[in-house]
Amino acid sequence: DIQMTQSPSTLSASVGDRVTITCRASQNINSWLAWYQQKPGRAPKLLIYKASSLESGVPPRFSGSGSGTEFTLTISSLQPDDFATYYCQQYNTYSWTFGQGTKVEIK
Amino acid sequence: QVQLVQSGAEVKKPGASVKVSCKASGFTFNGYHVHWVRQAPGQGLEWMGWINPNSGATNYAQKFQGRVTMTRDTSISTVYMELSRLRSDDTAVFYCARDRPYVYGMDVWGQGTTVTVSS
Repeated sequence: DIQMTQSPSTLSASVGDRVTITCRASQNINSWLAWYQQKPGRAPKLLIYKASSLESGVPPRFSGSGSGTEFTLTISSLQPDDFATYYCQQYNTYSWTFGQGTKVEIK
Repeated sequence: QVQLVQSGAEVKKPGASVKVSCKASGFTFNGYHVHWVRQAPGQGLEWMGWINPNSGATNYAQKFQGRVTMTRDTSISTVYMELSRLRSDDTAVFYCARDRPYVYGMDVWGQGTTVTVSS
């Protein structure tokens, strides 16, 4: 199975900061990577698919990049609503895997 | 509106089985794979598998093979996830989620079903 490793596990930041989260795959997944945001007690929300495509309705301050085995999610200017946990997820030959998550906390 | 509505919370004893339902509305049921994702208390997301509601084909994560069964009833646009031989560490919130074709991302999620396994 493909393993997904996110870093950091926790990130402390302030409103207005530029934030970057990294996700590494244990083997090549081309661009089959998605990013989700989850708030406590809520279902996850799709932010980015195919590594860099912004889901409809998601603010443009969110962006994704990468291919192969290394990917990033960037929030250009952190807003109060963005404090949450973020997960990457890969697809490869009918199998899916999530990263372990990155919690973005208020500094 | 496009939504997935899951069945209510369950409390089960170790060794029992649980069956959770996920009813689709507002979109063509047969046009999307449906995944099941588990989240233990305070933990991350864990993919369990998917079902193709059109064909009934399934693909399960290796960890759950032999214990999970995903089925569907197209007449009522509902998919089911049954997990057997429950253990205390199966206590979790279970989500169903729709996968948009050729996107390979889950764009619509159910509200989650809490399953508690306790003697």
